[in-house]
Amino acid sequence: GENVEQHPSTLSVQEGDSAVIKCTYSDSASNYFPWYKQELGKRPQLIIDIRSNVGEKKDQRIAVTLNKTAKHFSLHITETQPEDSAVYFCAANYGGSQGNLIFGKGTKLSVKP
Amino acid sequence: DAGVIQSPRHEVTEMGQEVTLRCKPISGHNSLFWYRQTMMRGLELLIYFNNNVPIDDSGMPEDRFSAKMPNASFSTLKIQPSEPRDSAVYFCASRGQTSSYNEQFFGPGTRLTVL
Repeated sequence: GENVEQHPSTLSVQEGDSAVIKCTYSDSASNYFPWYKQELGKRPQLIIDIRSNVGEKKDQRIAVTLNKTAKHFSLHITETQPEDSAVYFCAANYGGSQGNLIFGKGTKLSVKP
Repeated sequence: DAGVIQSPRHEVTEMGQEVTLRCKPISGHNSLFWYRQTMMRGLELLIYFNNNVPIDDSGMPEDRFSAKMPNASFSTLKIQPSEPRDSAVYFCASRGQTSSYNEQFFGPGTRLTVL
């Protein structure tokens, strides 16, 4: 079945450095790839998403890239700040626009001041 | 809009007891998802509904788990009998046909502890 692999599981960076999280997916029909941020004790919240007709998308300090041929996508956070510390989940859709999302296992990002 | 509403926010119960978790999706949304989150297994999809109809329940662990969606504004996830290994945070999420493609909006979650 559909699978999403996410790496690394933990990531520690200094404030101001960049952070990169990578995901791979297995279903070539997937065409929607969201990223969720979950702060401690809170709900996952969408921070950025990308569709398969786009190779890259940016929103201020965060960007996502997609390589459909290789079936992988990445989250890039530049100029990291302590408030970026959280668990980040990637996901890929499965079963079309009315299907579900398959989530990666998450990356715990720690930004040290 | 108040967003997805879940109740209770915390539940502590003893092994063998019945537990019922409740969810009210965002008004107008037509899809509803139940997830379970643990440290070991991450975020797992249990079941999801489109237009109140269960589409995929392959993630439901076993017969002790059941979910219903009697109408577009309410869903329940029931565990009977509960076991300590069911301890987790249970999230409900909803999605609308007009929302940004497949975006799902999560509720605050119910933290379940089974003693």
